[in-house]
Amino acid sequence: KQEVTQIPAALSVPEGENLVLNCSFTDSAIYNLQWFRQDPGKGLTSLLLIQSSQREQTSGRLNASLDKSSGRSTLYIAASQPGDSATYLCAVIGGAGANNLFFGTGTRLTVIP
Amino acid sequence: KAGVTQTPRYLIKTRGQQVTLSCSPISGHRSVSWYQQTPGQGLQFLFEYFSETQRNKGNFPGRFSGRQFSNSRSEMNVSTLELGDSALYLCASSLGSGRRETQYFGPGTRLLVL
Repeated sequence: KQEVTQIPAALSVPEGENLVLNCSFTDSAIYNLQWFRQDPGKGLTSLLLIQSSQREQTSGRLNASLDKSSGRSTLYIAASQPGDSATYLCAVIGGAGANNLFFGTGTRLTVIP
Repeated sequence: KAGVTQTPRYLIKTRGQQVTLSCSPISGHRSVSWYQQTPGQGLQFLFEYFSETQRNKGNFPGRFSGRQFSNSRSEMNVSTLELGDSALYLCASSLGSGRRETQYFGPGTRLLVL
């Protein structure tokens, strides 16, 4: 069974700092990896989708990388802002023939003004 | 284009009752998946529907069921509610059922079972 782990569980940084969130998965036979953002009590907002054949994707201040062979992904956030405060979740599709998303437990990010 | 919508947004039920949640996918999307989110278990997959057929099912008891209509709208039903069913229920839609599709989530329905 696919297992997804995110480290750290919580992170607090001052505004303007660059930061990296980590995600690891146990079964490297994935089809894609998706990063989401979740604000308290709300649904998920898709940030980036990386196909298994890709190494990275960028959107604005966000850059996500994927190393499928080692089962790792990172989400890099440049010049963090207080509005970036949220829980960040990574999820993978694939592994053991599954067609659904397997989610990590998330990293709760707080950006201090 | 409107996003994924879920109704109702909040729901309070008592143990033993049943509940039906509704999800309307993004226009043109044919796949709808349901997830349960709890503080203890995180986000867990319930089931996926594509063209009115259940394609995939997670590890939940038979009290959890769902269906999809010809317009791609989906409903999930939970019968004989238990306290542990209190959770945020999220649905997600995608254009097709392929594994390479981006999934777009709705705001969720927060269910409280007393």
